[in-house]
Amino acid sequence: DAKTTQPPSMDCAEGRAANLPCNHSTISGNEYVYWYRQIHSQGPQYIIHGLKNNETNEMASLIITEDRKSSTLILPHATLRDTAVYYCIVRVAMDSSYKLIFGSGTRLLVRP
Amino acid sequence: EAQVTQNPRYLITVTGKKLTVTCSQNMNHEYMSWYRQDPGLGLRQIYYSMNVEVTDKGDVPEGYKVSRKEKRNFPLILESPSPNQTSLYFCASKKGGTRPPYEQYFGPGTRLTVT
Repeated sequence: DAKTTQPPSMDCAEGRAANLPCNHSTISGNEYVYWYRQIHSQGPQYIIHGLKNNETNEMASLIITEDRKSSTLILPHATLRDTAVYYCIVRVAMDSSYKLIFGSGTRLLVRP
Repeated sequence: EAQVTQNPRYLITVTGKKLTVTCSQNMNHEYMSWYRQDPGLGLRQIYYSMNVEVTDKGDVPEGYKVSRKEKRNFPLILESPSPNQTSLYFCASKKGGTRPPYEQYFGPGTRLTVT
């Protein structure tokens, strides 16, 4: 699976958009990009995933560059409850273990 | 509400005293898995199950047992807990099948301390 690189920490003001980058320069054609977050020792929460196209759901948007070497998770109107560690994960069509490998992630602090 | 539940949420026990952490999901998911999370080591998979009566070892299975007699339940058993099993444990589930998407749903966690 491709390695991902994320900044260790970021902050943004409440109500503003939070843009979280992820580099995955060694991604291959059949690998998906997944985003999860973990709010202070709670269970990780699935946010969104994508392969090539940009994706949007009720939680966030995922922008994947055309060469697929990087992506950005966008929380359009961050709230205090979005303070969490965000993980970018790249996975090939899963093996039978469906194991998720969480790196260090980005610690996002949303400021009042 | 679709969810994965774990019990207990917190447990302090002594070395050698057998314990079971329960995990239950109400989403009719085929796949279930156990992870442990330790500072600096991230989440590591302990065991997983592709369906009823089908279980397999993850990356750190030593000292743990699991069973999958029913689709909704996947208990984690520590026959003789040791202090190095002090950790935060998460159960997860997902829909079955070999095609994406592969999003997993996690329980709230069980913080276990073994003294």
